[in-house]
Amino acid sequence: KAGVTQTPRYLIKTRGQQVTLSCSPISGHRSVSWYQQTPGQGLQFLFEYFSETQRNKGNFPGRFSGRQFSNSRSEMNVSTLELGDSALYLCASRTSGTYNEQFFGPGTRLTVL
Amino acid sequence: DQQVKQNSPSLSVQEGRISILNCDYTNSMFDYFLWYKKYPAEGPTFLISISSIKDKNEDGRFTVFLNKSAKHLSLHIVPSQPGDSAVYFCAANNNNAGNMLTFGGGTRLMVKP
Repeated sequence: KAGVTQTPRYLIKTRGQQVTLSCSPISGHRSVSWYQQTPGQGLQFLFEYFSETQRNKGNFPGRFSGRQFSNSRSEMNVSTLELGDSALYLCASRTSGTYNEQFFGPGTRLTVL
Repeated sequence: DQQVKQNSPSLSVQEGRISILNCDYTNSMFDYFLWYKKYPAEGPTFLISISSIKDKNEDGRFTVFLNKSAKHLSLHIVPSQPGDSAVYFCAANNNNAGNMLTFGGGTRLMVKP
């Protein structure tokens, strides 16, 4: 099976712009979660989608949003970019069930100038 | 409020010896714990997990121990190999609330030949 894929891998934007990141989960995985990794805050949960519905949301401002499509692919969007949004954005997928691990993609490195 | 803590930012071990990485948590609702290995600019790679109904889980050279009363888990790697050098993150989840991992700050493991 192919792993979790994320596009693009690298992105450079300027303050005030918006950005959309894409994630394709492992085939058959219906749960997709997004995480942000920064040197200062570590790995932090952004949101989780399951069957096209947002099931959980982390403590991030409303500028961060996401969605999931019927094929389980997911996108996250950040509007009005700030310098502090520079980070590695990671997507993870998992199967249904109680005790199943999340598998991560390689991430998208976003740099905001 | 850090709900998951890895108090050792780094650990250096000789090849062939045991590596012990520790993790503490505060939220008693966590019922599933995972260890991930991570290289810079890559996504975390799943290593091993344990549910709260167990106190030990083994997979090859990796063993995770869970002490629920102390809210403490540890990852043992025996024998350690130079290829194990990476940053290790422990993560916790409350499966009743969905899939939103809470990560520790990571421990950098260096295995010296």
